Amino acid sequence: DADVTQTPRNRITKTGKRIMLECSQTKGHDRMYWYRQDPGLGLRLIYYSFDVKDINKGEISDGYSVSRQAQAKFSLSLESAIPNQTALYFCATRTGGESSDTQYFGPGTRLTVL
Amino acid sequence: AQSVTQLGSHVSVSEGALVLLRCNYSSSVPPYLFWYVQYPNQGLQLLLKYTSAATLVKGINGFEAEFKKSETSFHLTKPSAHMSDAAEYFCAVSEDYGQNFVFGPGTRLSVLP
Repeated sequence: DADVTQTPRNRITKTGKRIMLECSQTKGHDRMYWYRQDPGLGLRLIYYSFDVKDINKGEISDGYSVSRQAQAKFSLSLESAIPNQTALYFCATRTGGESSDTQYFGPGTRLTVL
Repeated sequence: AQSVTQLGSHVSVSEGALVLLRCNYSSSVPPYLFWYVQYPNQGLQLLLKYTSAATLVKGINGFEAEFKKSETSFHLTKPSAHMSDAAEYFCAVSEDYGQNFVFGPGTRLSVLP
């Protein structure tokens, strides 16, 4: 089984709809991240969480919100989806402390907003 | 502020030829540097990383990269390309020990038979 899973893997929705993307991990990591990937722009950080009570905005948080329901779960919500939020979304995890410096990525969720 | 540039959004090489993917960074502190690979319809997978130890770093699948501070570069190389190397490659920089990353725009590698 994959260590970092994302659901759904693909989603098509309409402008104005509320959408939730979910991420779960079995790695026992404290830190979780949400990125979006757009062609030619690489990955950009939306939100990150260092533990259940610690949520931080990333580079492009406008139009998004997150919820860290448990150490293993980190959800990304689009309250009112718009077409320029069409992208590939990745969740990532990392253990805490300076001794570990690698992020582990989920398979991605492809979101299309019509 | 940290940033990453990758010269060439698309690179094509013949099977067996040298692979060279370029990455230049800017950072206000000694950085950690990473190369990730993304195969079609998959997430990102770590290829290799530089974390202030040896400047020549060896990764998986025969890839290596050399950290050159004077050139602010961390280019990725492989002596002989294989068809299975076709993927998108991302360079990333971190100024806080990998807690947060800035990714480059990516380079798509095609390997021609």
